[in-house]
Amino acid sequence: DVKVTQSSRYLVKRTGEKVFLECVQDMDHENMFWYRQDPGLGLRLIYFSYDVKMKEKGDIPEGYSVSREKKERFSLILESASTNQTSMYLCASRRTGALYGYTFGSGTRLTVV
Amino acid sequence: GQQLNQSPQSMFIQEGEDVSMNCTSSSIFNTWLWYKQDPGEGPVLLIALYKAGELTSNGRLTAQFGITRKDSFLNISASIPSDVGIYFCAGSGSGSARQLTFGSGTQLTVLP
Repeated sequence: DVKVTQSSRYLVKRTGEKVFLECVQDMDHENMFWYRQDPGLGLRLIYFSYDVKMKEKGDIPEGYSVSREKKERFSLILESASTNQTSMYLCASRRTGALYGYTFGSGTRLTVV
Repeated sequence: GQQLNQSPQSMFIQEGEDVSMNCTSSSIFNTWLWYKQDPGEGPVLLIALYKAGELTSNGRLTAQFGITRKDSFLNISASIPSDVGIYFCAGSGSGSARQLTFGSGTQLTVLP
């Protein structure tokens, strides 16, 4: 069964910490995405990557960066965590051209205190 | 960016009832998708629609791509307890590198 695995289900971090959220997919997909999910706001795109070492800003990139050094791994980085970054973070991947073929991970619920 | 308005935001229904939810867009979409998110999991694709006017079923689920290409609805017939979750619409236009725009979600609760 194809999978997108997010390394942590729950994280609690302190304000100002640098936070790494890791995502790994085993489907050899070219495209990977990071979304954040907040009640009443749906899923908002933070960053995405078309291929290794490539990245594009989504709708809400401020306060975040990403890294894609290997095809299967896409990391989301919070340079200096703030309380307004408390949220559910979802990683997804898809094969290029397969618009409907988004596979999501189970999410990481991050709390910044 | 593109905006999707999804309604209702939440629904409480009795088991066996039918459910309807919809999404409207401020711009034309070429593709409409409906996802379901179970508690503690990521969203999973339910139905994909690619043509204006298209009506597609998946078991008890039926979805339609509006003829104006600015709206879509999802119906669930004879709801059961495992229908509980958050339902998201998502759409893609010709711009923005064909990325998906998601609605705000409909939280469905099925009462026994």
